[in-house]
Amino acid sequence: GEDVEQSLFLSVREGDSSVINCTYTDSSSTYLYWYKQEPGAGLQLLTYIFSNMDMKQDQRLTVLLNKKDKHLSLRIADTQTGDSAIYFCAEMEDDKIIFGKGTRLHILP
Amino acid sequence: DSGVTQTPKHLITATGQRVTLRCSPRSGDLSVYWYQQSLDQGLQFLIQYYNGEERAKGNILERFSAQQFPDLHSELNLSSLELGDSALYFCASSPGNRGVQETQYFGPGTRLLVL
Repeated sequence: GEDVEQSLFLSVREGDSSVINCTYTDSSSTYLYWYKQEPGAGLQLLTYIFSNMDMKQDQRLTVLLNKKDKHLSLRIADTQTGDSAIYFCAEMEDDKIIFGKGTRLHILP
Repeated sequence: DSGVTQTPKHLITATGQRVTLRCSPRSGDLSVYWYQQSLDQGLQFLIQYYNGEERAKGNILERFSAQQFPDLHSELNLSSLELGDSALYFCASSPGNRGVQETQYFGPGTRLLVL
């Protein structure tokens, strides 16, 4: 069955790095995604990674993929108050995108 | 701004009623997807249309239906509404080339409250 798992909450001090983890079940997933949802807003695509890649870096964001363990992580360097949001991990399966329940990132001053 | 627009932003209605949510995809995108986001179910894929035809179906109730028009905008119809249908309904679009898995761009959502 389809399942994408994420921890529900993460608290990080401003300026530190945030690491949000995700596990998925479909080994045939070709694309894996991270979306950000700010309070009262829609989903914003942050980044995505092809399954034949191990790592992708985009400014403060680093995505790591361990295909053997079906584990995906999103690292946000130098976390800022504007990073406070819910982060959704998602995988593409049979032309459907399956989302995790989201990780709420809380920034401590 | 993703380029995907949804109307209305908010909708309040009563149980048993019927509503229509509208979505305009990004310019050039042929696929439209509908999602429901609720507190207990999380984000659930409902249905996808590609160039006017239904392409994939997810957890969509029989009381719900959708269509995509020749100008590529889409409507999601929700009927015989129940309290549990209260949720945020997102539309997303992608270029929709068959056989290619693509990034979806999300609209701001329509918040539906059923009283």
